[in-house]
Amino acid sequence: RKEVEQDPGPFNVPEGATVAFNCTYSNSASQSFFWYRQDCRKEPKLLMSVYSSGNEDGRFTAQLNRASQYISLLIRDSKLSDSATYLCVVTSGGSYIPTFGRGTSLIVHP
Amino acid sequence: ETGVTQTPRHLVMGMTNKKSLKCEQHLGHNAMYWYKQSAKKPLELMFVYSLEERVENNSVPSRFSPECPNSSHLFLHLHTLQPEDSALYLCASSQEATYNEQFFGPGTRLTVL
Repeated sequence: RKEVEQDPGPFNVPEGATVAFNCTYSNSASQSFFWYRQDCRKEPKLLMSVYSSGNEDGRFTAQLNRASQYISLLIRDSKLSDSATYLCVVTSGGSYIPTFGRGTSLIVHP
Repeated sequence: ETGVTQTPRHLVMGMTNKKSLKCEQHLGHNAMYWYKQSAKKPLELMFVYSLEERVENNSVPSRFSPECPNSSHLFLHLHTLQPEDSALYLCASSQEATYNEQFFGPGTRLTVL
């Protein structure tokens, strides 16, 4: 089983739609969780951290489910500019070495 | 944003060439990373330096040789590469001790002929 798994997609949604991605991780000792966004031919950039209590930033909501070992990202009212690849990142306890998922591609169309 | 810069942005080299990639961070971070990103594959961590000491080397072939002369600069020396080494090479930095956000440079697009 891969350490961090994501559905590569692409998820093809119309503007205004709500879309959700999941990311599963294999190491139960994982402690830090993040979502990064990577635009085509650009570097990854942090979208949001994922806290145990969940967190929300505008149209974006991230959740952590430790029991089932997955994190999720929900995007409401999708915009064309949300089209990108969303990378799940997990680090294990006591380490600051991150493990990246392969990313989920989102395409928002008019 | 010029927090992390990388040069060159594009590089084409033959298999017998020697070249170096350069990364510089202006964020006061103590940890720096080299990643390889190939098409349809996850980001692959190659090297990690913390306070200029190498702390992680994910079994990278010896034809890749990193150098970290100080906490702001990171190099990746390339020698006798193979065509399958063609990829985007990304540098990143972060605060040391606990995991914080990683800031990535724009990458060097490498093509090995």
